[in-house]
Amino acid sequence: GAGVSQSPSNKVTEKGKDVELRCDPISGHTALYWYRQSLGQGLEFLIYFQGNSAPDKSGLPSDRFSAERTGGSVSTLTIQRTQQEDSAVYLCASSPLVGTYEQYFGPGTRLTVT
Amino acid sequence: AQSVTQPDIHITVSEGASLELRCNYSYGATPYLFWYVQSPGQGLQLLLKYFSGDTLVQGIKGFEAEFKRSQSSFNLRKPSVHWSDAAEYFCAVGAFSGGYNKLIFGAGTRLAVHP
Repeated sequence: GAGVSQSPSNKVTEKGKDVELRCDPISGHTALYWYRQSLGQGLEFLIYFQGNSAPDKSGLPSDRFSAERTGGSVSTLTIQRTQQEDSAVYLCASSPLVGTYEQYFGPGTRLTVT
Repeated sequence: AQSVTQPDIHITVSEGASLELRCNYSYGATPYLFWYVQSPGQGLQLLLKYFSGDTLVQGIKGFEAEFKRSQSSFNLRKPSVHWSDAAEYFCAVGAFSGGYNKLIFGAGTRLAVHP
């Protein structure tokens, strides 16, 4: 079956522009996570969705970052007024059920801010 | 607080040699443990997981890991490394925190394979 998909795979943007990153989780997965991976670094948790609600936004680094999820499916991570330090790979993961820890990852979006 | 430590940032092995990647965790209860692999330019792929039962678990691509409660470790092993195993490896522990299930990841170990 189809895995987690993310688009675009690569995004180059100028400093100060807004960007939207999309995540399409595995069908039926109720939990969705966003992570950021800076060059040579581990995974930095950003936000967790359960259905359409986001009970944990504690990892969002600033108010320039926001995310939403509609229909319990697709999620969009938006970064406003991008800065060079936002350059990173943004990974999305989904999980099938409440009560499981296993997460399935998408291929990521590589964001470069020039 | 839950945490995962991967002591080795970089490891280099020769093709055909054996491999062991170290992982130590801190968790109060019986842990749910995972190893993920990230090939260059790819997302994370689950290699194997431990929930309970047999402490030696088998995964994909010929990998195995052993849970040792006394050492709080979950080391990943492979008897003979292939060049295609060059990647970054992440150990993770499952934790219920903030009202939901989450994975706490280690910082990762980057594996290079010499021909």
